[in-house]
Amino acid sequence: DADVTQTPRNRITKTGKRIMLECSQTKGHDRMYWYRQDPGLGLRLIYYSFDVKDINKGEISDGYSVSRQAQAKFSLSLESAIPNQTALYFCATSSDRGPYNEQFFGPGTRLTVL
Amino acid sequence: AQKVTQAQTEISVVEKEDVTLDCVYETRDTTYYLFWYKQPPSGELVFLIRRNSFDEQNEISGRYSWNFQKSTSSFNFTITASQVVDSAVYFCALSARGAGGTSYGKLTFGQGTILTVHP
Repeated sequence: DADVTQTPRNRITKTGKRIMLECSQTKGHDRMYWYRQDPGLGLRLIYYSFDVKDINKGEISDGYSVSRQAQAKFSLSLESAIPNQTALYFCATSSDRGPYNEQFFGPGTRLTVL
Repeated sequence: AQKVTQAQTEISVVEKEDVTLDCVYETRDTTYYLFWYKQPPSGELVFLIRRNSFDEQNEISGRYSWNFQKSTSSFNFTITASQVVDSAVYFCALSARGAGGTSYGKLTFGQGTILTVHP
């Protein structure tokens, strides 16, 4: 079984709808992240959480919110989706032990907002 | 602030050619970590290598090699004798402490280089 899972894997929705993307991990990591990928822009950080009580905005948090329900779960919400939020979304986790902080990525969620 | 630049948007080669993907980074931190990820057409991100700022030794792994030069803030990736299966988007990324002394963990990605290897 995958260590980092994302649901749904694909979603098509309409402008104005509320959408939640979910991420679960079995790696036991405290740190979790949400990124979005757009062609030609690489991955950009939306929100990150270093533990259940610690949530921080990333580079492009406007229009998004998150919830850290447990160590293993980190959800991303689009309160009112708009077309320019069409992108590939990745969840990632990392350990807080040691300096390396290698991130482990989920398979991605492809979101289309019409 | 951290920044990673991959100036090559797309590269196209014929199988068995060598190809180098460039990566230039900016950070004020003296301790930082550099990564390369591969994203094949299936979309997942595959970790390739991690390098810390104190280790400037080049690394070779099979057909892959990495050249880290602090003097030019570059961390270039070379594929020797490329194969069709190497076709993917490749991302260079940086992890540094950044302003405010927040701990490492967040990654700053370059824009990605689309590599196409033709048979």
